[in-house]
Amino acid sequence: KQEVTQIPAALSVPEGENLVLNCSFTDSAIYNLQWFRQDPGKGLTSLLLIQSSQREQTSGRLNASLDKSSGRSTLYIAASQPGDSATYLCAVRGSNYQLIWGAGTKLIIKP
Amino acid sequence: DVKVTQSSRYLVKRTGEKVFLECVQDMDHENMFWYRQDPGLGLRLIYFSYDVKMKEKGDIPEGYSVSREKKERFSLILESASTNQTSMYLCASSLIAYEQYFGPGTRLTVT
Repeated sequence: KQEVTQIPAALSVPEGENLVLNCSFTDSAIYNLQWFRQDPGKGLTSLLLIQSSQREQTSGRLNASLDKSSGRSTLYIAASQPGDSATYLCAVRGSNYQLIWGAGTKLIIKP
Repeated sequence: DVKVTQSSRYLVKRTGEKVFLECVQDMDHENMFWYRQDPGLGLRLIYFSYDVKMKEKGDIPEGYSVSREKKERFSLILESASTNQTSMYLCASSLIAYEQYFGPGTRLTVT
């Protein structure tokens, strides 16, 4: 059974730092992996989707990588800003329509 | 831009009431999903639908039913609301194998 883990559960860094959020999964037979952002009390915003055949995707200051063989993905945030403060979730899609979710990393960027 | 809307942001219902949560997407997506999100438990899939009038149970379907009479609309029904169904409910839609887009969420309180 696929399990998705995100470490750390919470992270606090000063503004301007580059940072990496981690996501690991136990079954490498995935179709894709998606990173989301969630602000308190709000819905989820899709940030990046990486198909299983891809190694990375970039959007602005965000870069997500995927290493299927080791069961790992990272979300790199460059030059962090207070507006980046949110909970970041990763989810993997297997052979059915369902996403398997990590518990999230709560990120706080201190001004 | 993909738009997923949910009928209410906040809802307060009494125990035993029948509750309807509605979700509408405007991008002709085949797949639609209902999740609930609770602190410490993350996102859990209640039901999903891969086509009109088609539905599949997710991880926690007990106490819920769904309806998809039109492609753009997916309704979640709580037949007899209970206090343990107090939660944030999130709707999402996607094309097959592509990224999921989420609505803003409905925070339901059952008293």
